Amino acid sequence: NAGVTQTPKFQVLKTGQSMTLQCAQDMNHNSMYWYRQDPGMGLRLIYYSASEGTTDKGEVPNGYNVSRLNKREFSLRLESAAPSQTSVYFCASSRTGTSGGARTDTQYFGPGTRLTVL
Amino acid sequence: AQKITQTQPGMFVQEKEAVTLDCTYDTSDPSYGLFWYKQPSSGEMIFLIYQGSYDQQNATEGRYSLNFQKARKSANLVISASQLGDSAMYFCAMRERDSNYQLIWGAGTKLIIKP
Repeated sequence: NAGVTQTPKFQVLKTGQSMTLQCAQDMNHNSMYWYRQDPGMGLRLIYYSASEGTTDKGEVPNGYNVSRLNKREFSLRLESAAPSQTSVYFCASSRTGTSGGARTDTQYFGPGTRLTVL
Repeated sequence: AQKITQTQPGMFVQEKEAVTLDCTYDTSDPSYGLFWYKQPSSGEMIFLIYQGSYDQQNATEGRYSLNFQKARKSANLVISASQLGDSAMYFCAMRERDSNYQLIWGAGTKLIIKP
């Protein structure tokens, strides 16, 4: 199994350009996530999709849109890139379960996309 | 208030020694989960270990164990017999009902293992 795959691995954009980051998972997970990681910081959630057909905003959604194309694929689009969106973008997926009465859903991550906006 | 606090920005440890990475959390939700992830210099985010708030025993996964002290709201990661390959950033994260089950991340600890 490939797990979670992301394309591209690297991208350089000029301010105002648009692009779509692709993510796919082959683990039959219900939930998928997009994060960004800025230097020296933890991850911040951009958008998530709890199941096929649903998407919700995370902590930092401004400037981004997402599409849950099907159960496997979750894409992130930057309509008009800005230098503040220079970051490493991670996609993750998880399957909801329960253990001892508590909900468990470990997130598994893709390798990341390093995006630079000039 | 910070939900997840990792007080050690960086640590140097001699190879083969045990390492404890600190993580304290803040929640009033009785149902929550705590996760540790490793991020080596190559950049990928690797899941290490999970502890649920209702779990009776501390979680263990190979050389990784979680020192879960619920009353103190701490979930420290213990790495036994450290190896050079353990050099990486380590992140603690929490999921709780109040955050709609989304992960809340700490700022991370940079661990460097010295030969």
